[in-house]
Amino acid sequence: GAGVSQTPSNKVTEKGKYVELRCDPISGHTALYWYRQSLGQGPEFLIYFQGTGAADDSGLPNDRFFAVRPEGSVSTLKIQRTERGDSAVYLCASSLTGGDLRGYTFGSGTRLTVV
Amino acid sequence: GENVEQHPSTLSVQEGDSAVIKCTYSDSASNYFPWYKQELGKGPQLIIDIRSNVGEKKDQRIAVTLNKTAKHFSLHITETQPEDSAVYFCAASKRGGTSYGKLTFGQGTILTVHP
Repeated sequence: GAGVSQTPSNKVTEKGKYVELRCDPISGHTALYWYRQSLGQGPEFLIYFQGTGAADDSGLPNDRFFAVRPEGSVSTLKIQRTERGDSAVYLCASSLTGGDLRGYTFGSGTRLTVV
Repeated sequence: GENVEQHPSTLSVQEGDSAVIKCTYSDSASNYFPWYKQELGKGPQLIIDIRSNVGEKKDQRIAVTLNKTAKHFSLHITETQPEDSAVYFCAASKRGGTSYGKLTFGQGTILTVHP
């Protein structure tokens, strides 16, 4: 596609529920990143995929968070037992390769609200 | 890990004035410093970047300066226009070799340009 697509754009869920957030990167981009942006803050790194593998998941806050990219394209961020503190905008970005910082393209994000 | 501090958090200027946003970073190994503009409901968009082997870079009304010794870099916008109103983020990363595009962002500056 022309850009990075994230769905849904908004998600409201109840505390304790499970949610999945989807990211469709730009076609051909091998590197994919997830960031979390809390209100009034800059994005914070969560996880980096190179192809199908998670090359760096050091930013995942705890074991309730998990992400996959089984075919090296679409990625899903999964959050179990959601808490109110998980409310944030979850941003996905992709680039042609891991070293292609100038070609970094962000999606518009998924706004997650846990009530 | 890297830590990026950004000031001011809000900046209000009259159309035609200049705006300056400043950032400091902690990791002397960081060598790539992009600036992003984020409009409401959208993901961050790269507006200008600078590598550590360059002290200044200009692109029309936007310029960035870097002081490696002091570990700080700044964004300068001249002749501001109402459409420059947005949230601006600085970021730092390591580029080259086996490094990949993990970005550490500042906290953001809300720029308002009054007509």
